[in-house]
Amino acid sequence: DQQVKQNSPSLSVQEGRISILNCDYTNSMFDYFLWYKKYPAEGPTFLISISSIKDKNEDGRFTVFLNKSAKHLSLHIVPSQPGDSAVYFCAAKKAAGNKLTFGGGTRVLVKP
Amino acid sequence: EAQVTQNPRYLITVTGKKLTVTCSQNMNHEYMSWYRQDPGLGLRQIYYSMNVEVTDKGDVPEGYKVSRKEKRNFPLILESPSPNQTSLYFCASSLTGVPYGNEQFFGPGTRLTVL
Repeated sequence: DQQVKQNSPSLSVQEGRISILNCDYTNSMFDYFLWYKKYPAEGPTFLISISSIKDKNEDGRFTVFLNKSAKHLSLHIVPSQPGDSAVYFCAAKKAAGNKLTFGGGTRVLVKP
Repeated sequence: EAQVTQNPRYLITVTGKKLTVTCSQNMNHEYMSWYRQDPGLGLRQIYYSMNVEVTDKGDVPEGYKVSRKEKRNFPLILESPSPNQTSLYFCASSLTGVPYGNEQFFGPGTRLTVL
């Protein structure tokens, strides 16, 4: 049973517009969330994270929103650029744990 | 250059033939882990190690072994590979514990096919 789910396997967006990626989780023990970006033939790289004590974290064009009551987080990319075309994974960890649990990923295509 | 290296990058093998995928990091990181990536399932953790001689199971450890005899190396061993272990494997490391951000580095991946 997947505890972290990304229900949209793919997303296509026009350059300059907003990309919104969604992630849902079921385990209320998760207290920290991360987003990773992955290009083909490369390992994932860290993008942005958020602690459960916050509801928003912003880093340049990337903003992550957390809705704890809904067990939902989203990643906003504004404006989207062709170089943002990649697979994005959300991941979650528990306060007392030593593991990261990943979602299935969303493939983003930004069209020029 | 700080990096995590994996070898081989690509491997095709047959059922039952033991194999080892090596992972090495040059950052003196304590925490290392192995993941497998499968379509629709994302990355699932196989094993992790908090330090030398300290390893623990992740979410999908069946059919895999690991060892951590040196801080820099964390090999993944498949004693008797089966077709359901066909996957893309990633090794990762971070300074201490599960990362809170950009301190986790991933290797480039190993594409394994078991016939």
